Amino acid sequence: GQNIDQPTEMTATEGAIVQINCTYQTSGFNGLFWYQQHAGEAPTFLSYNVLDGLEEKGRFSSFLSRSKGYSYLLLKELQMKDSASYLCAVQDSNYQLIWGAGTKLIIKP
Amino acid sequence: ETGVTQTPRHLVMGMTNKKSLKCEQHLGHNAMYWYKQSAKKPLELMFVYSLEERVENNSVPSRFSPECPNSSHLFLHLHTLQPEDSALYLCASSPEEGSTGELFFGEGSRLTVL
Repeated sequence: GQNIDQPTEMTATEGAIVQINCTYQTSGFNGLFWYQQHAGEAPTFLSYNVLDGLEEKGRFSSFLSRSKGYSYLLLKELQMKDSASYLCAVQDSNYQLIWGAGTKLIIKP
Repeated sequence: ETGVTQTPRHLVMGMTNKKSLKCEQHLGHNAMYWYKQSAKKPLELMFVYSLEERVENNSVPSRFSPECPNSSHLFLHLHTLQPEDSALYLCASSPEEGSTGELFFGEGSRLTVL
């Protein structure tokens, strides 16, 4: 079957760096997405990786290794507003999105 | 106006009630989706519409009935639901179905079935 694994919850300190990992096993691969979802709000798009390597976008970066079935989302200079759930999703060979259960990130002062 | 709007934001219903969730997108997209989000579980795709035609139905119980009257509006009709159907129901849209590209989500309708 198809599967996405990511940690259920992580805690980090304001101003620090945190890395949220995502591993996947899917039928084919057409890209990996990261979404951010604040409590009670809509998931919003953060990043898309289809080739190996690091994509940087301000304080957020996303890395992909297709051979390892692995991605991470790196958040730098953490702010209290970064407290949210982070959803990893992979698009399989049929362009269907396979979702992880999300990682709840708690930022402490 | 936000891109994707869902109403109501919160809904409480008994198992014998009939209610509907509404979704409207102002992005000119051709594809719309219903997802179910339960705590600590992955998003579950329920229905996909492309140009008002249903293209996917992921073995969803018949007590959930979708309707897409035009490419901007999507409904989810609910009847004789079960307590385990309590969840956040998210609507999303994308420019085209079955292609790469991000989804644009609404804020969801929080459903509680008593």
